[in-house]
Amino acid sequence: EAGVAQSPRYKIIEKRQSVAFWCNPISGHATLYWYQQILGQGPKLLIQFQNNGVVDDSQLPKDRFSAERLKGVDSTLKIQPAKLEDSAVYLCASSLVAATAYEQYFGPGTRLTVT
Amino acid sequence: QQQVKQSPQSLIVQKGGISIINCAYENTAFDYFPWYQQFPGKGPALLIAIRPDVSEKKEGRFTISFNKSAKQFSLHIMDSQPGDSATYFCAASLGAGKLIFGTGTRLQVFP
Repeated sequence: EAGVAQSPRYKIIEKRQSVAFWCNPISGHATLYWYQQILGQGPKLLIQFQNNGVVDDSQLPKDRFSAERLKGVDSTLKIQPAKLEDSAVYLCASSLVAATAYEQYFGPGTRLTVT
Repeated sequence: QQQVKQSPQSLIVQKGGISIINCAYENTAFDYFPWYQQFPGKGPALLIAIRPDVSEKKEGRFTISFNKSAKQFSLHIMDSQPGDSATYFCAASLGAGKLIFGTGTRLQVFP
């Protein structure tokens, strides 16, 4: 079974530029998550999708971050414009069923550096 | 409070020793307490998880001890190996997939 795929793996941009990350979850996983992991910290949930609907986006900075999950499969996370404090690893994860949603499968992440 | 406090920040253990990582929480609404293991350049991977009505869960060399009254739980790695060197995160689940992660413990096991 293929794991969660993410691209790109690394991205360096200047502040005020825009950037987009792509995620392909494990086949059949209805729930998809985007996390932000700042160096030395645990992952922080940004947004959670159930199929193509948003379940929780309470911690997404909506003035600059946006995410979509078209057709309930792939997802993209966009930052526009980027700030220095957005430098982090952006992790995508997916889970199968609600009963065991604590069991999440993570992709390798995209390391974003904002200069 | 939706925080999960984790300690120590880093841990150095000799091969064959026991590694112990501790976590504490406040919110009694958490329904599962998973531990994730993360190697450099990789995403976290689920290691083991426990429900709050169970006091201990063991899977191979990994054991979770859970103290509901103290609102604390810990991960014990028996016979620690160099391959266990990674960052470990405790987490707490609020249900429906919402995970609150601790700050992580970097474990180094020396031969």
